[in-house]
Amino acid sequence: NAGVMQNPRHLVRRRGQEARLRCSPMKGHSHVYWYRQLPEEGLKFMVYLQKENIIDESGMPKERFSAEFPKEGPSILRIQQVVRGDSAAYFCASSPPAQNTEAFFGQGTRLTVV
Amino acid sequence: AQSVTQLGSHVSVSEGALVLLRCNYSSSVPPYLFWYVQYPNQGLQLLLKYTTGATLVKGINGFEAEFKKSETSFHLTKPSAHMSDAAEYFCAVSPDYGQNFVFGPGTRLSVLP
Repeated sequence: NAGVMQNPRHLVRRRGQEARLRCSPMKGHSHVYWYRQLPEEGLKFMVYLQKENIIDESGMPKERFSAEFPKEGPSILRIQQVVRGDSAAYFCASSPPAQNTEAFFGQGTRLTVV
Repeated sequence: AQSVTQLGSHVSVSEGALVLLRCNYSSSVPPYLFWYVQYPNQGLQLLLKYTTGATLVKGINGFEAEFKKSETSFHLTKPSAHMSDAAEYFCAVSPDYGQNFVFGPGTRLSVLP
C-alpha cells in the first residue's frame, strides 16, 4: 500500500502563472487535507475535502486558490496568478472515512515562484 | 479554538546529551497530541502520539513524551542525542484523533559533535 503521493515534488513558476499540485491519497482513504508551510513557519491548515465535496476551506486564501477532490483521480490544489508570497511547501494528508483514524502525510510539493 | 506553542525555535545540544523540546497547548476539549519530525526537504514523519490511556508515550528513534493535563504540556524528550536527530520537530493537536491538525511553529534541533 503506497503512501500519500504528491507530485511534483518541486515546482517552479513565474509570477502570474498557474500552479497545480496533485495529491493521491492512500488506498481506501477518502478524506484529504492540504496544509501550507511558509519558510521558517509551521504548517497551516488550508482545506479539508472528501470525495467531490469541500468540507472546510476556512484556511484557504479567498482569492486565487482553489481545491478539488473529484470522484476519480487525485486531489488538486490550484493556485492562479502566483506571486512570490505563494512560495512554500504544500503538504497533503489523507485519512480513511472512519472516525478516530489517523491522517498520513505526503512528502510535500515545494513551490518556488520566481 | 486550539493553539500550540513551542518554546524555543532553535535548540542545540551536544551529541549524547538530553534532548528536551517543549510543547504547550490550549484546547477547550481533551485533545489528541502528536509530535512530528521533518528532515530537510522531506515530509512529516510521525514520532509519537497521545490519544488515551498512559500519559507517557514512547515513539520511534528513542523519543518519548509525557502528557501533563494540569500543565497543558506534551514535552518531547530523548535521553541521548544522536547526530541523526538533527531536524525540525513539530508538536500538533487534533480534536479528532489526527485529522484536523493545529501545528506549533516548530523547533529546529541541532546536534553538536
